[in-house]
Amino acid sequence: GQQVMQIPQYQHVQEGEDFTTYCNSSTTLSNIQWYKQRPGGHPVFLIQLVKSGEVKKQKRLTFQFGEAKKNSSLHITATQTTDVGTYFCAPSGGYQKVTFGTGTKLQVIP
Amino acid sequence: DVKVTQSSRYLVKRTGEKVFLECVQDMDHENMFWYRQDPGLGLRLIYFSYDVKMKEKGDIPEGYSVSREKKERFSLILESASTNQTSMYLCASSFPSLWTAKEIGRYGYTFGSGTRLTVV
Repeated sequence: GQQVMQIPQYQHVQEGEDFTTYCNSSTTLSNIQWYKQRPGGHPVFLIQLVKSGEVKKQKRLTFQFGEAKKNSSLHITATQTTDVGTYFCAPSGGYQKVTFGTGTKLQVIP
Repeated sequence: DVKVTQSSRYLVKRTGEKVFLECVQDMDHENMFWYRQDPGLGLRLIYFSYDVKMKEKGDIPEGYSVSREKKERFSLILESASTNQTSMYLCASSFPSLWTAKEIGRYGYTFGSGTRLTVV
């Protein structure tokens, strides 16, 4: 699978602050998926990005795929306590053997 | 509601035992996967299967084997459990390609709730 570096590993934010996690690859990615895992839960699919420069929004979450398709980011505006969890990026050459990033663990302080 | 079901949420086994972890999906997915998740190491792929009776090694297959006799069921086998196999095990399934997922309108992997295995 394709290897990616995900940063930061941990992030603590005050409720209401913004949060961003980044996913970087040394090689061009075909597509990238993002997942969220709540504490004690399992990863849940959030979104898939396929096109160069693609930007998708889900309420307060904004996902971007870089122009060169070597990086991606997830930005959360005005975090809430329900955003707590670990966010994983997962590049995929197709749909087989998706490799997950190490994840960014988000803590939101009320 | 579509789902992936893992047979046990918690398991405690003794060193040297043969352990079976079962996973069943009801989404007619061709692909099925077994991952283990450990703190600081993220999700690591053990084995995956893209069709009945087909299997491929993932990144950490040593000490494990798998079985896929039916499309909906994928079993992970620890031939002789060891303490370093204490972990959270996650099963997942997906369609075989982006295009199939797009046709059906369901993307990504669907994960089971996980089995926390402790080997003592």
